[in-house]
Amino acid sequence: DAKTTQPTSMDCAEGRAANLPCNHSTISGNEYVYWYRQIHSQGPQYIIHGLKNNETNEMASLIITEDRKSSTLILPHATLRDTAVYYCIVRGYNNNDMRFGAGTRLTVKP
Amino acid sequence: GAGVSQSPSNKVTEKGKDVELRCDPISGHTALYWYRQRLGQGLEFLIYFQGNSAPDKSGLPSDRFSAERTGESVSTLTIQRTQQEDSAVYLCASSSDISSYEQYFGPGTRLTVT
Repeated sequence: DAKTTQPTSMDCAEGRAANLPCNHSTISGNEYVYWYRQIHSQGPQYIIHGLKNNETNEMASLIITEDRKSSTLILPHATLRDTAVYYCIVRGYNNNDMRFGAGTRLTVKP
Repeated sequence: GAGVSQSPSNKVTEKGKDVELRCDPISGHTALYWYRQRLGQGLEFLIYFQGNSAPDKSGLPSDRFSAERTGESVSTLTIQRTQQEDSAVYLCASSSDISSYEQYFGPGTRLTVT
């Protein structure tokens, strides 16, 4: 079973920030939070990951709460091409099992 | 450079037949993963290969499923005596090693069992 809980779907207006929440209340100390996304009919694509500090890259920002029980993926200026299913995953450093849940279906609307 | 490739892209087979799905990982990637994705659902881990170590088969749903990998290259996933519930997209991913944070996914093989 996935160790994360995400909303089933979300909408976002084009050009606005998309904030995707994820609960991972049972995360252990050595587990990272990963985000992937899957655009229709394609394989998943890595977005970002973090342990306890907030992270930012060219695609997104990841905000992890101090207790690490939840996190938020932020797409600062969503575009129509960001419409996809976004998966939040917890995984140990040397864990070979990426347990993808059902994810959040983000629809960016013009 | 070339990404992960999978073949065939689509496969339709009759119930009871065996099928073989192929994955070509990124050159030099020692870790290779197989996942299954049923329609509208998340990914389900099947099996994992890392170098010459014994594969982690803990996700295989039944003994009809098996996979092999030749060294650090091609992998084949075999499903024997296919059932309708095997219909899904089968995704392969590779990474440079087990601790790599990024798995690179192929486009998948859509299997339909009639």
